[in-house]
Amino acid sequence: GAVVSQHPSWVICKSGTSVKIECRSLDFQATTMFWYRQFPKQSLMLMATSNEGSKATYEQGVEKDKFLINHASLTLSTLTVTSAHPEDSSFYICSAIKSFTDTQYFGPGTRLTVL
Amino acid sequence: LAKTTQPISMDSYEGQEVNITCSHNNIATNDYITWYQQFPSQGPRFIIQGYKTKVTNEVASLFIPADRKSSTLSLPRVSLSDTAVYYCLVGDPLIKAAGNKLTFGGGTRVLVKP
Repeated sequence: GAVVSQHPSWVICKSGTSVKIECRSLDFQATTMFWYRQFPKQSLMLMATSNEGSKATYEQGVEKDKFLINHASLTLSTLTVTSAHPEDSSFYICSAIKSFTDTQYFGPGTRLTVL
Repeated sequence: LAKTTQPISMDSYEGQEVNITCSHNNIATNDYITWYQQFPSQGPRFIIQGYKTKVTNEVASLFIPADRKSSTLSLPRVSLSDTAVYYCLVGDPLIKAAGNKLTFGGGTRVLVKP
């Protein structure tokens, strides 16, 4: 199989606080993981590419200092939303590429609500 | 990355076959076509991937004409649980430098009625 998990599945936080979301590939190693954001009734928007052992690559318009990404191991990438504001409320989804398949497998997503 | 165009929505009934066509006129030689399914508040699920002609798995079939400027995802005998958004994506899975980035279009919202 190719299972990707995310934790937490949902989180509510106060404006100004930081929230960390974890993305794990449970049964395979992933040198590359991706972070997406999805607003209600909209498509997924790629935020950044996370590479193990190196700095993440952010898409245009995504603030790297606000969305901190750490890919410290071949099975874990984290996204930290710093100083969260209500407009950061969204569904955050990660994906991981299984080595030798070139297919992206997605996590179940994390619902972030900032009050 | 090739842009894709899909119908915004489609309605069907249980037991019918659903065919969703995706246009990708500027598909590149090395691009593959991949379809994902997404249920509300869940991450996308890989359905099928193909390069040309026809690909079939236990879930769906993918038909790609010779010019590869479009593709059709076929879901046989749909059930209520197939109600979801279906995304067609085009890209080269072997471009390691590009990080295998996927660009999601608007998707097709399929509603299966009883």
